[in-house]
Amino acid sequence: EAGVAQSPRYKIIEKRQSVAFWCNPISGHATLYWYQQILGQGPKLLIQFQNNGVVDDSQLPKDRFSAERLKGVDSTLKIQPAKLEDSAVYLCASARGFTETQYFGPGTRLLVL
Amino acid sequence: DQQVKQNSPSLSVQEGRISILNCDYTNSMFDYFLWYKKYPAEGPTFLISISSIKDKNEDGRFTVFLNKSAKHLSLHIVPSQPGDSAVYFCATLPPRGATNKLIFGTGTLLAVQP
Repeated sequence: EAGVAQSPRYKIIEKRQSVAFWCNPISGHATLYWYQQILGQGPKLLIQFQNNGVVDDSQLPKDRFSAERLKGVDSTLKIQPAKLEDSAVYLCASARGFTETQYFGPGTRLLVL
Repeated sequence: DQQVKQNSPSLSVQEGRISILNCDYTNSMFDYFLWYKKYPAEGPTFLISISSIKDKNEDGRFTVFLNKSAKHLSLHIVPSQPGDSAVYFCATLPPRGATNKLIFGTGTLLAVQP
């Protein structure tokens, strides 16, 4: 079974630029998560989807971050405009269902200069 | 406000010895805990979990102990192997609600010396 795929793996941008990350979950997984992991901290949930509906986006900075999961499969996370403090690893995870084990992708490492 | 705390940023042990990683939590309503392991440039992978109805769960070389009165859990790895060198995150799920987001600690870097 293929794991969670993410791209790109690394991205360097200047502040105020925009960036987008892509996630392809494990086939058949209805629940998808985006986490942000800042250096020295544990991952923090940004947004959770159940199929193509948003379950929890309470910690998503909505003035600059947006996410979508069209057709309930792939998902994209966008930052516009980026700030220095957005430098982090962005992890995508998926699960078969709401209470199932979460499987993580390798992450996208973002550096904002 | 850190709800899950891992106070040891790093731990070094000799191969074959026991590794003990500790985790404290603040909310007595938390009732399910997980340990994730993370290698560099990879995402976290699920290792072992424990429900609050138990005080111990074992899976091969890995055992998790839960002390509810102290709001403390620990992961024991016996015997430790060089391949166990990674960052270990303690995590919990909030009390039953609309979301099952994981709440992670800050992680402990384990180095197992050959």
